[in-house]
Amino acid sequence: KQEVTQIPAALSVPEGENLVLNCSFTDSAIYNLQWFRQDPGKGLTSLLLIQSSQREQTSGRLNASLDKSSGRSTLYIAASQPGDSATYLCAVLSTDTGNQFYFGTGTSLTVIP
Amino acid sequence: DAGITQSPRHKVTETGTPVTLRCHQTENHRYMYWYRQDPGHGLRLIHYSYGVKDTDKGEVSDGYSVSRSKTEDFLLTLESATSSQTSVYFCAISRTGNEAFFGQGTRLTVV
Repeated sequence: KQEVTQIPAALSVPEGENLVLNCSFTDSAIYNLQWFRQDPGKGLTSLLLIQSSQREQTSGRLNASLDKSSGRSTLYIAASQPGDSATYLCAVLSTDTGNQFYFGTGTSLTVIP
Repeated sequence: DAGITQSPRHKVTETGTPVTLRCHQTENHRYMYWYRQDPGHGLRLIHYSYGVKDTDKGEVSDGYSVSRSKTEDFLLTLESATSSQTSVYFCAISRTGNEAFFGQGTRLTVV
């Protein structure tokens, strides 16, 4: 069974800092990896989707990379802002289980003004 | 939000009662999913559907059933609610099964 880990569980940074969130997975046989943002009491908002054949995806200040062979993905946030404060989740779609996404438990980010 | 409506948004129910949660989509996506989110466990798949009347179990399906009689609606039923089913339930949809979009969630408390 695919296991997804996100470290650290919580992160606090001053405004303006660049930061990296980590996601690791145990089985490299994946279709894709998706990063989400979740605000307290809200649903998940899709940020970036990386297909298994891709190495990275960018959207504005966000850049996500994927290294399938090592079972790792990183989400890079440039010039962090207080509005970036949220929980960030990664999910992988494994080839062996068809349509089941496996989620990490998330990194709770606080950006201090 | 990607045209997904979950109802109700909040519900408190008593142990042993049946409960049905509804997910409605306006995107005409093929795939629909029900997840639960619990502290320390992240999101876990309960059931999913890959078409009208086509459903399959996820990793935490015990105690839950689903139905999909129309493309736009996916119902999750707790036949006899237990305290362990207190959770936040999320519906998700996907056009191809490769990328998921989530609803706002339903907070269910079983007392």
